[in-house]
Amino acid sequence: ETGVTQSPTHLIKTRGQQVTLRCSSQSGHNTVSWYQQALGQGPQFIFQYYREEENGRGNFPPRFSGLQFPNYSSELNVNALELDDSALYLCASSLREGLGETQYFGPGTRLLVL
Amino acid sequence: SQQGEEDPQALSIQEGENATMNCSYKTSINNLQWYRQNSGRGLVHLILIRSNEREKHSGRLRVTLDTSKKSSSLLITASRAADTASYFCATDEYSGNTPLVFGKGTRLSVIA
Repeated sequence: ETGVTQSPTHLIKTRGQQVTLRCSSQSGHNTVSWYQQALGQGPQFIFQYYREEENGRGNFPPRFSGLQFPNYSSELNVNALELDDSALYLCASSLREGLGETQYFGPGTRLLVL
Repeated sequence: SQQGEEDPQALSIQEGENATMNCSYKTSINNLQWYRQNSGRGLVHLILIRSNEREKHSGRLRVTLDTSKKSSSLLITASRAADTASYFCATDEYSGNTPLVFGKGTRLSVIA
């Protein structure tokens, strides 16, 4: 088990709503990344935050946004939810900035959009 | 898009047998990593192999990397029921600060 925690564990929303997911990074890690994992697929990189700034972004629309706080915790916000946003959202922290660094994953938040 | 492709998609073996999973990728890489995921939970990092390394061991795990063939294999020896999980390879492209790209994974079932 890593020291990365995520909340909530499960969430059900309806199409068009907004959602905020939360993550606390492992102690000593200052970099947080978010991934989306659809059923039967590998995780897909959404974005990374380092020192409260976005440090890289994957192929996701602007309605996916994030924040990192001074204590290195992070939020993922998704606006105007679509049915295809249903997935497991994984937060991962790393010891160093750099998008290819070893990732320490949290348990994930499973989001269902109806 | 997914850079890595694991093979096979699913593998079922008896406890005590060895399990081999393969990963192929498309571009030159800095590193290749293997992760394990237990039924829809978070991923756990298993091992990282750098592009200038050919083989690496960690406990019952052995990873090989063939950059000329753009492929890697993960061998789990003397498998246990607790090894039942999905296994993913992840690569980061050589061209700079690029994010990890994961394959679709191999689902391993170890039958006691």
